[in-house]
Amino acid sequence: DAGVIQSPRHEVTEMGQEVTLRCKPISGHDYLFWYRQTMMRGLELLIYFNNNVPIDDSGMPEDRFSAKMPNASFSTLKIQPSEPRDSAVYFCASSLGQGPYFGPGTRLTVT
Amino acid sequence: GESVGLHLPTLSVQEGDNSIINCAYSNSASDYFIWYKQESGKGPQFIIDIRSNMDKRQGQRVTVLLNKTVKHLSLQIAATQPGDSAVYFCAEKTSGSRLTFGEGTQLTVNP
Repeated sequence: DAGVIQSPRHEVTEMGQEVTLRCKPISGHDYLFWYRQTMMRGLELLIYFNNNVPIDDSGMPEDRFSAKMPNASFSTLKIQPSEPRDSAVYFCASSLGQGPYFGPGTRLTVT
Repeated sequence: GESVGLHLPTLSVQEGDNSIINCAYSNSASDYFIWYKQESGKGPQFIIDIRSNMDKRQGQRVTVLLNKTVKHLSLQIAATQPGDSAVYFCAEKTSGSRLTFGEGTQLTVNP
């Protein structure tokens, strides 16, 4: 079975640009999570969905970040405008009872 | 606030030895715990989980022990191999489906 799929794997952008990260969860999973990992702060939960509905977005840093899940097989995390401090690895993860199971991540660099 | 922490930031073992990675948690209400393995450039990989109604669970070469009395979690890896070298995170489910991660322990296996 395919695991969590994320795209792009790497993204380099300039400050002020819009960035969109994409995720396809494991088929059948009802929870989807967005995490961010940095050396300084470790793994941080940004937001999670249950059955496509956002449940907890208290980890979203500020209004520049938004996440959507239009259907059970797709989610996006958007940063607009991006800033250098947003540079990190962003992980999507999904679960059904057990887990979550993580994707390979998107390494974002904002210059 | 409540947090999950690791006793040892680094652990170095000889190939073939058994490894023990420890984790302390502070939320007595946590009911689900997971160990993840993260190799460089990859997402966290689910290794094994345990629910609070158990005190031991075994997988392939791995065992997780849960001591709720002292709020301690450990991961035992039998016959450690070079491929086991990675950062290991414990995580606890605190509220809802929110997972809180520890700081991580770097395991190095020497040939």
